[in-house]
Amino acid sequence: SQQGEEDPQALSIQEGENATMNCSYKTSINNLQWYRQNSGRGLVHLILIRSNEREKHSGRLRVTLDTSKKSSSLLITASRAADTASYFCATDAVRIQGAQKLVFGQGTRLTINP
Amino acid sequence: EAQVTQNPRYLITVTGKKLTVTCSQNMNHEYMSWYRQDPGLGLRQIYYSMNVEVTDKGDVPEGYKVSRKEKRNFPLILESPSPNQTSLYFCASSLVRQVTDTQYFGPGTRLTVL
Repeated sequence: SQQGEEDPQALSIQEGENATMNCSYKTSINNLQWYRQNSGRGLVHLILIRSNEREKHSGRLRVTLDTSKKSSSLLITASRAADTASYFCATDAVRIQGAQKLVFGQGTRLTINP
Repeated sequence: EAQVTQNPRYLITVTGKKLTVTCSQNMNHEYMSWYRQDPGLGLRQIYYSMNVEVTDKGDVPEGYKVSRKEKRNFPLILESPSPNQTSLYFCASSLVRQVTDTQYFGPGTRLTVL
């Protein structure tokens, strides 16, 4: 079953507006990450927030984590056309054999209109 | 420049014709993995390797092989490709002590099996 699921699946806003994407997960985590993927390209790591953190900033990005609700949000302020991409959350999980792995959600497709 | 490279970037082949997708990283990372990305299914891990000569199955290993003879290289082998292996493939690497921390992704290989 999916560990991380993003909401909404697609988001279209005007340049300059703020964009908010949400991620929900099912089991307890050690950390949660957000990645960006430009169309057909590799994923690029944006930010990592650990389970004992509630908020983290990086430039125009703000990530919050609510472990009681098992959810996270990614806020992009003052959006630009270059922010057009898909955004994925990834959470750590444990395999049946005990090894760790990352589980990615299906992503939010963000379009910034000029 | 720290990076993960993949080759080829695009490949069209026919059913049953063996192929290899190469992956190389220059960051001295112990952990490397392969993912496939399909619409509606997100990123799914195929195989991973914790270090040289240590490989393990991910979530969707059927039809794939890997090898890890050198730390920097982690090729993905399709012995007898089938159309259901048409997908976008990504190689990723990270430090082994941070398996579920920041992943560095390659640019992707778009494979079409006819």
